[in-house]
Amino acid sequence: DAKTTQPTSMDCAEGRAANLPCNHSTISGNEYVYWYRQIHSQGPQYIIHGLKNNETNEMASLIITEDRKSSTLILPHATLRDTAVYYCIVRVVHNNDMRFGAGTRLTVKP
Amino acid sequence: DGGITQSPKYLFRKEGQNVTLSCEQNLNHDAMYWYRQDPGQGLRLIYYSQIVNDFQKGDIAEGYSVSREKKESFPLTVTSAQKNPTAFYLCASSMREGNTEAFFGQGTRLTVV
Repeated sequence: DAKTTQPTSMDCAEGRAANLPCNHSTISGNEYVYWYRQIHSQGPQYIIHGLKNNETNEMASLIITEDRKSSTLILPHATLRDTAVYYCIVRVVHNNDMRFGAGTRLTVKP
Repeated sequence: DGGITQSPKYLFRKEGQNVTLSCEQNLNHDAMYWYRQDPGQGLRLIYYSQIVNDFQKGDIAEGYSVSREKKESFPLTVTSAQKNPTAFYLCASSMREGNTEAFFGQGTRLTVV
């Protein structure tokens, strides 16, 4: 069974913030939330990860709810190049069993 | 440059033949993974390895085999027992310990005719 739930698809206007939600209601205390994205026919690319605090890097921000049952990936100013499938996964630090769901297909429109 | 390399990018085989996909990394990563991706679908875990000479089945291991004789290499063999082998195959690697990200290769597109 998938450990995360994401919407199948989302649209976003170019220049606006893209907010991608992820539910992980069964997350354990030692599981991190990771986000990757996959541009068509390429290998997935790491974006960001976090445990319980909000995180920000040059690509995106990750907001994790206080109960850790859900999170949101924020692309602050989406561009056409951000059109991709975005995967949210949970991963135990000392167990390399890394499983992906179907992800969210984000389409950024001009 | 450090990275993870899959070869070849495109591979064609006749039905009933075994075929081996290559995955090599020079990132000094302990853990390596193989995924299968079908059109419009997400990634499904085939096998993963946390250390040399050890590997674990993922969700769809039937019809596939792997070996991990060297830290740098994790080849995947698609056997004739795999009923629908045509797919996009992705290899990844990561540090075994710590909260670090995985790095992916660019994939091998296998077509069986």
